[in-house]
Amino acid sequence: RKEVEQDPGPFNVPEGATVAFNCTYSNSASQSFFWYRQDCRKEPKLLMSVYSSGNEDGRFTAQLNRASQYISLLIRDSKLSDSATYLCVVNLDSGTYKYIFGTGTRLKVLA
Amino acid sequence: NAGVMQNPRHLVRRRGQEARLRCSPMKGHSHVYWYRQLPEEGLKFMVYLQKENIIDESGMPKERFSAEFPKEGPSILRIQQVVRGDSAAYFCASSPGQSEKLFFGSGTQLSVL
Repeated sequence: RKEVEQDPGPFNVPEGATVAFNCTYSNSASQSFFWYRQDCRKEPKLLMSVYSSGNEDGRFTAQLNRASQYISLLIRDSKLSDSATYLCVVNLDSGTYKYIFGTGTRLKVLA
Repeated sequence: NAGVMQNPRHLVRRRGQEARLRCSPMKGHSHVYWYRQLPEEGLKFMVYLQKENIIDESGMPKERFSAEFPKEGPSILRIQQVVRGDSAAYFCASSPGQSEKLFFGSGTQLSVL
């Protein structure tokens, strides 16, 4: 089983739609969680951290479910500019705190 | 406060040559990570370094690849005797500490002819 798994998509949604992505992780020793956004051929950029109690940043909501070992990202009122690949990132306490990336979920917001 | 600086942005090498990729972390960041990304694939962890120490190199091939983060100067990822399969985007990221947010450089695109 992969350490971090995501549905690759693509998710094609109309502007204004609400879309949600999930990401599962296999190691219960995972310490911290993040969502990054990557545009084609560019570096990943931090979208938001994911906290145990859930957190919101504008149109974006992130949640963590430790019991079921998954995190989620909800995007409300999708914009064309939200089209990108969304990467789930888990920081593993395997003794060295390395960050493991999912392969990403591709989102296309259509006009 | 400058971000993570990587150079060169593009590097072309012939098979058998050496490739040196440089990364200067953000000011105040002492943790550096290197990742490799093939087209249409995810980022693969290669190595995690702190100043003068390799903390975790479990993702880096044992042969031809090496990394360092000296007391002074940038972190260097070195690939000896490059092969076509080494062609990829190599991203460096830094953080101020363990479990903190990662900030990425703009990457080096390595092309091996």
